[in-house]
Amino acid sequence: GEDVEQSLFLSVREGDSSVINCTYTDSSSTYLYWYKQEPGAGLQLLTYIFSNMDMKQDQRLTVLLNKKDKHLSLRIADTQTGDSAIYFCAESLQTGANNLFFGTGTRLTVIP
Amino acid sequence: DTEVTQTPKHLVMGMTNKKSLKCEQHMGHRAMYWYKQKAKKPPELMFVYSYEKLSINESVPSRFSPECPNSSLLNLHLHALQPEDSALYLCASSHEPRARNEQYFGPGTRLTVT
Repeated sequence: GEDVEQSLFLSVREGDSSVINCTYTDSSSTYLYWYKQEPGAGLQLLTYIFSNMDMKQDQRLTVLLNKKDKHLSLRIADTQTGDSAIYFCAESLQTGANNLFFGTGTRLTVIP
Repeated sequence: DTEVTQTPKHLVMGMTNKKSLKCEQHMGHRAMYWYKQKAKKPPELMFVYSYEKLSINESVPSRFSPECPNSSLLNLHLHALQPEDSALYLCASSHEPRARNEQYFGPGTRLTVT
């Protein structure tokens, strides 16, 4: 199976930037995604990036992709208490199959 | 409308019961998914339906039986479950089977098996 790794925890102060990292092993990844999950809720799609891009910005969110190192990051600018959640990266592969392979998830805690 | 709805929100069932989870989307998506999520873990794929046909079954025990009555609905029939099946069951949908696969998730059904 595909291996998608994330650090388990991140704490930041309100107003600071958060950077959540993800590494993956399969070089045939085509799209990479970031999902947010609040307690007791489903997953909310935040953003995605195509594998031939280096960067994508969407309001407070910036996604960086280093395809050579198979490293993906999500930067949240001006982090707010409402950003506290678990963040999952996920990849889909070139095989055309439907499934996403999720990372282990990073719990972001924003300290007021 | 990017909403996927799931019912019920919570379900408690005994090991001899039969129950069903329901999922609905009206986004015109042709792929629908069931995931199981244990606490503090990522979602694990169970089943994929593409154009109302089962395309992926990730070696799920037969006590879980999926059904896709039409392109908007997805059911998961439960029978003779075990306590270790207690989890959050998430439904998702996406446009169609392809590499760009933005999946939209429902809020989940929290299942407890006693």
